[in-house]
Amino acid sequence: AQTVTQSQPEMSVQEAETVTLSCTYDTSENNYYLFWYKQPPSRQMILVIRQEAYKQQNATENRFSVNFQKAAKSFSLKISDSQLGDTAMYFCAFMTFENSGGSNYKLTFGKGTLLTVNP
Amino acid sequence: AAGVIQSPRHLIKEKRETATLKCYPIPRHDTVYWYQQGPGQDPQFLISFYEKMQSDKGSIPDRFSAQQFSDYHSELNMSSLELGDSALYFCASTILGFSYEQYFGPGTRLTVT
Repeated sequence: AQTVTQSQPEMSVQEAETVTLSCTYDTSENNYYLFWYKQPPSRQMILVIRQEAYKQQNATENRFSVNFQKAAKSFSLKISDSQLGDTAMYFCAFMTFENSGGSNYKLTFGKGTLLTVNP
Repeated sequence: AAGVIQSPRHLIKEKRETATLKCYPIPRHDTVYWYQQGPGQDPQFLISFYEKMQSDKGSIPDRFSAQQFSDYHSELNMSSLELGDSALYFCASTILGFSYEQYFGPGTRLTVT
């Protein structure tokens, strides 16, 4: 079974600064995806960024980037130029796709990191 | 762009009652997932459907059942409700094999009193 660990229950950052959220995972699979989801106070789950395990290049989406270390099973999220609207719970999630037919594509989430951006 | 639709958005039921949650995936999405998020917790996978067939099952109680219909919408039926069933229930959809990104609906907040 896969497990996802987010060791920082809460973090805070000043507006315009940079913050990094940590995530580690445990799996015996070789093919998988990793995601970061954002859940603001509205409780909507919003996909922030994804990383395919077979890609060595770290994914980037505007102010959001990841540091993917496959051997270390680490997947951290860096938010640059933090904005007040980034205040949210951030979940790291894992998905394996070893089998076909729709099985094993479920997301396994970490416990989340509550990020507060201060003005 | 069309998003995942869930109804109702809020539902209040009493213990031992039955609830039905509905999910309408993004058009042309063939796969639906259901997740349960308890207060202060991470979402937990319940069940998924691919092309109207159950494809995977997680920690879903026997009191719950679900299905996906010919128009690809899905319903989660919950019977003999317990206080611990109070949670936010998410539906997510994707096109399997084309993109593995799951697009989440706004969720249904179920309160059992």
